[in-house]
Amino acid sequence: QKEVEQDPGPLSVPEGAIVSLNCTYSNSAFQYFMWYRQYSRKGPELLMYTYSSGNKEDGRFTAQVDKSSKYISLFIRDSQPSDSATYLCAMRPSNDYKLSFGAGTTVTVRA
Amino acid sequence: EAGVAQSPRYKIIEKRQSVAFWCNPISGHATLYWYQQILGQGPKLLIQFQNNGVVDDSQLPKDRFSAERLKGVDSTLKIQPAKLEDSAVYLCASSHSGQETQYFGPGTRLLVL
Repeated sequence: QKEVEQDPGPLSVPEGAIVSLNCTYSNSAFQYFMWYRQYSRKGPELLMYTYSSGNKEDGRFTAQVDKSSKYISLFIRDSQPSDSATYLCAMRPSNDYKLSFGAGTTVTVRA
Repeated sequence: EAGVAQSPRYKIIEKRQSVAFWCNPISGHATLYWYQQILGQGPKLLIQFQNNGVVDDSQLPKDRFSAERLKGVDSTLKIQPAKLEDSAVYLCASSHSGQETQYFGPGTRLLVL
């Protein structure tokens, strides 16, 4: 079993739709949870970062962490064609900066 | 602020050949990471440097991979000899010490034939 499992996708949605992305994990030591966005042939860029359980909102993006279920989500509201990318979840324990990544979900937003 | 620079962007080699990748992190970033991203997978950490010292190389295949960060600035990752399964994108990232955000370079896309 992989340490981090991510819904494989791909997802194709119309412009303006809500995109929901999910990851599950097995390591209960994970405390920091991140979402990275990776455009084609580019390196990942940090999109959202949360510590422990709870919600965090940044503009059209909302990250949720449920540590009791070992489940994290990213929601993109009012999706735009520019949101078309691969989204990677990543996480780490509190005492180690080594990130464990999911495999990524590729999202296409159709104009 | 200039981003993380990597070269070359693409490399095609035959198996058993050697190859080297170069990374120049963001100025002032003490921590440097090399990741391997195989198609359809998330990045996997190969090695982490803090200044010119190795913090974690537990997932580096040391029989064929080596990395150095002389003078604590730019870094080189080498593969010798390459295998077919080394075909991947090699990503370099850097961060301030103790800071969460890792800034990634564009990667070097390696194809081993």
